[in-house]
Amino acid sequence: DIQMTQSPDSLSASVGDRVTITCRASDDIANVLHWHQQKPGKAPNLLIYGASIMQSGVPSRFSGSGSGTHFTLTISSLQPEDFATYYCQQGSSAPRTFGQGTKVEIK
Amino acid sequence: QVQLVQSGDEVKKPGASVKVSCKASGNILATLGFSWVRQAPGQGLEWMGGISDYNGDTFYAQKFQARVTMTTNTSTSTAYMEVRSLKSDDTAIYYCVRDLEGGVAAYWGQGTLITVSS
Repeated sequence: DIQMTQSPDSLSASVGDRVTITCRASDDIANVLHWHQQKPGKAPNLLIYGASIMQSGVPSRFSGSGSGTHFTLTISSLQPEDFATYYCQQGSSAPRTFGQGTKVEIK
Repeated sequence: QVQLVQSGDEVKKPGASVKVSCKASGNILATLGFSWVRQAPGQGLEWMGGISDYNGDTFYAQKFQARVTMTTNTSTSTAYMEVRSLKSDDTAIYYCVRDLEGGVAAYWGQGTLITVSS
């Protein structure tokens, strides 16, 4: 199975900050990497797929990059509604594993 | 857009079985199949397996292979997932998902809480 490791596990940031979350795969997954946002008590929501393609309706402050084994999710200017947990997910091979999640909290 | 509506929360005893349903509506032709993902209380997301619209092929994560069966009724665009021999650590929210190519978990149901307790 491909292992997905996110860093950090959690971070505290202020509104307006630039935030970067890293996801590493244990094997080459090309660009088959997707990012999901989950708010407390809610189902996850797809933000980015194919490493860098924004899902329809996602604000442009979110961006994704990377390929192979190293990927990043960047929020250019953190907004109050962005405080949530973020998960990366690989779709390259079954089982389609998720990272452990990164919780973004208010500083 | 695709909407997914799952069946209601359930409480089961250890050793019992549970079957969760998930009805899809909207532009489902743009998607490829159903997957199921679970989330134990306070924990992360765990992919359980999926089923293809194209040929009904199923693919399961190894740990669920023996206890889980995923099926679909294509005429009603409804997916089902049955978990047998429930244990307390199966207590979780179970989400159904509609996938895009590349294993993209594009659309999520609202979740079904399964509580396993004696």
